[in-house]
Amino acid sequence: QVQLQESGPGLVKPSETLSLTCTVSGGPIRDYYWNWIRQPPGKGLEWIAYISYRGTTYYNPSLKGRVAASVDTSKNQFSLELTSVTAADAAVYYCARAGYSPYESFDFWGQGATVAVSA
Amino acid sequence: EIVLTQSPDSQSVTPKEKVTITCRASQSVGSNLHWYQQKPDQSPKLLIKYGSQSISGVPSRFSGSGSGTDFTLTIDSLEAEDVATYYCHQGSNLPFTFGQGTRLEMK
Repeated sequence: QVQLQESGPGLVKPSETLSLTCTVSGGPIRDYYWNWIRQPPGKGLEWIAYISYRGTTYYNPSLKGRVAASVDTSKNQFSLELTSVTAADAAVYYCARAGYSPYESFDFWGQGATVAVSA
Repeated sequence: EIVLTQSPDSQSVTPKEKVTITCRASQSVGSNLHWYQQKPDQSPKLLIKYGSQSISGVPSRFSGSGSGTDFTLTIDSLEAEDVATYYCHQGSNLPFTFGQGTRLEMK
């Protein structure tokens, strides 16, 4: 059974960079597309980005160039960086797997990493 | 960006009730529309993919229908464990988007 686990600091200062890693176990990172999705407290889901195992990326334009994703196939991990964070970036951040195409449903999700933004 | 609008936003439900949630897209997504269930303090779980395709391990009381711009998630004979928030998601056009969610609460 594929499992995803997010990790990273739970608190980030305003204007600094949020960094998260998703570790994939129970299955390969190769051949699939991997996504980041966030959920502000009490609100709905917002898709952030996808990355392929080859490093192909697409970012939500709403994040205005502040986001970057990377992948490390040797560690079965992929990562997210979000720069210049504000209070609006406080959320639960999820990683999730799509299929062999990025246009597929998200069939496996991590448990989520809560990130607060405060000085 | 494709906007997905779910209705209702919330609904009070009773056990064994038949529940219908709709998701309307601002432009056609073909059949590339998926449904998720999110229980409190849990991550979303895939329920239905491509409008109507069932997912292994998901109870058969959950079904989906629709194509183009109008989609429906149906829960036949609701059980107490189905109290959750339900989201639709389109994977047709980038950026991918979600509906605002439909929250089911027990009466």
